[in-house]
Amino acid sequence: KNEVEQSPQNLTAQEGEFITINCSYSVGISALHWLQQHPGGGIVSLFMLSSGKKKHGRLIATINIQEKHSSLHITASHPRDSAVYICAVSSNTGNQFYFGTGTSLTVIP
Amino acid sequence: DAGVIQSPRHEVTEMGQEVTLRCKPISGHDYLFWYRQTMMRGLELLIYFNNNVPIDDSGMPEDRFSAKMPNASFSTLKIQPSEPRDSAVYFCASSSGTGKETQYFGPGTRLLVL
Repeated sequence: KNEVEQSPQNLTAQEGEFITINCSYSVGISALHWLQQHPGGGIVSLFMLSSGKKKHGRLIATINIQEKHSSLHITASHPRDSAVYICAVSSNTGNQFYFGTGTSLTVIP
Repeated sequence: DAGVIQSPRHEVTEMGQEVTLRCKPISGHDYLFWYRQTMMRGLELLIYFNNNVPIDDSGMPEDRFSAKMPNASFSTLKIQPSEPRDSAVYFCASSSGTGKETQYFGPGTRLLVL
């Protein structure tokens, strides 16, 4: 069983749609990270959160520690949002990092 | 700041050869991470350093892999001997604080072992 599960694996949306990507985890964590990987391969850290909600532009990340669940929302999606979004958690015991397998998002003009 | 710098960006080598990947973290960051990404396994943490000291190398696949950080501005990941299954993109990332803060990723090294 993977410690971090993401859904959906693949997502296609029309430009302007509201998008939600989900992440569930099974371990105790000290932080959860959302990463973005563009087709060129570069990885950018979007958010690191341990509680509540964070917002950056059109991106919003929420986390529910009790339910061990996080969501990444994109409002007014744009083709340039097309990328793979990866959820990762840092364990609160030891020094382990666990990664989801990623959600591939395609936004069609 | 130039961000995390990795070299080479691409490497093609033959099975059995030694491969050395290099990373320069962001100045002032005291954590450095090496990751491997493949289609089959996604992103995997191989090893990370704090203040140049290896903290957790449990992700290093086998003895053919070794990593060093001789100073705060340079780290290497070495594979000797290389095998086709080592073909992957290798990312280096750095962060400050507790090591569980936001990480800044380098552009990656795309390795192909023939």
